[in-house]
Amino acid sequence: ILNVEQSPQSLHVQEGDSTNFTCSFPSSNFYALHWYRWETAKSPEALFVMTLNGDEKKKGRISATLNTKEGYSYLYIKGSQPEDSATYLCAPGPDTGRRALTFGSGTRLQVQP
Amino acid sequence: DVKVTQSSRYLVKRTGEKVFLECVQDMDHENMFWYRQDPGLGLRLIYFSYDVKMKEKGDIPEGYSVSREKKERFSLILESASTNQTSMYLCASSLTIQPQHFGDGTRLSIL
Repeated sequence: ILNVEQSPQSLHVQEGDSTNFTCSFPSSNFYALHWYRWETAKSPEALFVMTLNGDEKKKGRISATLNTKEGYSYLYIKGSQPEDSATYLCAPGPDTGRRALTFGSGTRLQVQP
Repeated sequence: DVKVTQSSRYLVKRTGEKVFLECVQDMDHENMFWYRQDPGLGLRLIYFSYDVKMKEKGDIPEGYSVSREKKERFSLILESASTNQTSMYLCASSLTIQPQHFGDGTRLSIL
């Protein structure tokens, strides 16, 4: 089982604050890194799939960067809004040893109006 | 639009019962997955399948089995339900390396 760590576990910010979280994963045998957003009472929704070292993806106010050599990815939210409140999951994989993703335990973001 | 459908949103069963959770996808995806989600533990992979009749154990397969007789359908079976299998169960499907598409989940309670 891959060791995937996300930090912080939870985060409370005020509306308008910018924030970022970290996903750490083993750098060997890297294939791809997925980010998902999971809102309460909904199903997880894919944000990004990143494959190249140095890759940067953006979707509205959310962006992510990837460092495959050192095994981490950052997710940034600029000007947080209450609708950004969700759990953000990262998942590396698949790789040659395992065809499935391994999900981290997530960062739970709460944005106060 | 992509659609992954789980047969029940809520399910209540008794210990010792055989329980079937059904998942159907309409996207011709080769990969299908079953996860369970428990507070503080994130999404844990139970089983996955990368082709019809093919299956691989995930991280927590004990007490579960799966069936994939047709490409669009992936069933999770609790052979003899126990209270520690009370959880939220999520099904997902994908093409290789592409994002996974999730169903709405089944909240299963074992009494």
